[in-house]
Amino acid sequence: QKEVEQNSGPLSVPEGAIASLNCTYSDRVSQSFFWYRQYSGKSPELIMSIYSNGDKEDGRFTAQLNKASQYVSLLIRDSQPSDSATYLCAALRSFAGGTSYGKLTFGQGTILTVHP
Amino acid sequence: DTAVSQTPKYLVTQMGNDKSIKCEQNLGHDTMYWYKQDSKKFLKIMFSYNNKELIINETVPNRFSPKSPDKAHLNLHINSLELGDSAVYFCASSHVTPPSAEQFFGPGTRLTVL
Repeated sequence: QKEVEQNSGPLSVPEGAIASLNCTYSDRVSQSFFWYRQYSGKSPELIMSIYSNGDKEDGRFTAQLNKASQYVSLLIRDSQPSDSATYLCAALRSFAGGTSYGKLTFGQGTILTVHP
Repeated sequence: DTAVSQTPKYLVTQMGNDKSIKCEQNLGHDTMYWYKQDSKKFLKIMFSYNNKELIINETVPNRFSPKSPDKAHLNLHINSLELGDSAVYFCASSHVTPPSAEQFFGPGTRLTVL
C-alpha cells in the first residue's frame, strides 16, 4: 500500500466548475497535510496546509481533513485554465521529540486540466 | 529576493563523472531537504538537515553525499554518476515549528546523465 495515494487522473473539468482532488494516507502518525501545485517544468508551490479535522478555506481553495478516515481533499471552486497543473498531496510525519521537522511523503500527483 | 535558490538549473554529464548541486535559502529556516523527482513526477525525500545536522537519510546510494556548511546552505555531491540518476533534484527548506513546518522548494536542477 502506498503511504500517500491520490485519485488517479487526469482530471478534466470545464472552466467555472468545482475540481475535487482526493488523497488517502496510511500512516496514522501523520499530523500535517499539504497540497502543492506544480506546473510543468516548475517546482512544487504550496497552496494549502491543514492540521485539524474539518475544512480550511483560502480563497477559491478548500482543504478538508478527516483523520479517522485518513482522508484529505482539495476543492477548487470556479476553476480557471490557470489552475491546470499537477496537484501533489503530502503528509508530514514528525519525529525526534515532538518537533515538526520530519518526513514529508508525497502522493503520485493528480493532473488537472481546466478547459475553457 | 529569491527564497530558495539552486545552481545549476541544468546539468548534463557523462556516466562516471562526479558533480555537485548547490542550494541556498534566505528564509531564515533551520531545516533543509533534498528531493528527487523521477520521470513519472514522483517526488521522494533523500536527505534532511536541521541546523547542519543530518536528520533524515533515506535509502540513497552512498554515491550521494549531502553537505551543509551552515544552516542556509545544503549542497549535494554525486559520485560516479549513473544513468538512473537522471532526474530533477529539488532543494527545500522549512522552519521547525509544530504543527506546521511548511516546506518551500527551490526551482530544481535537471540532471541528465548520458
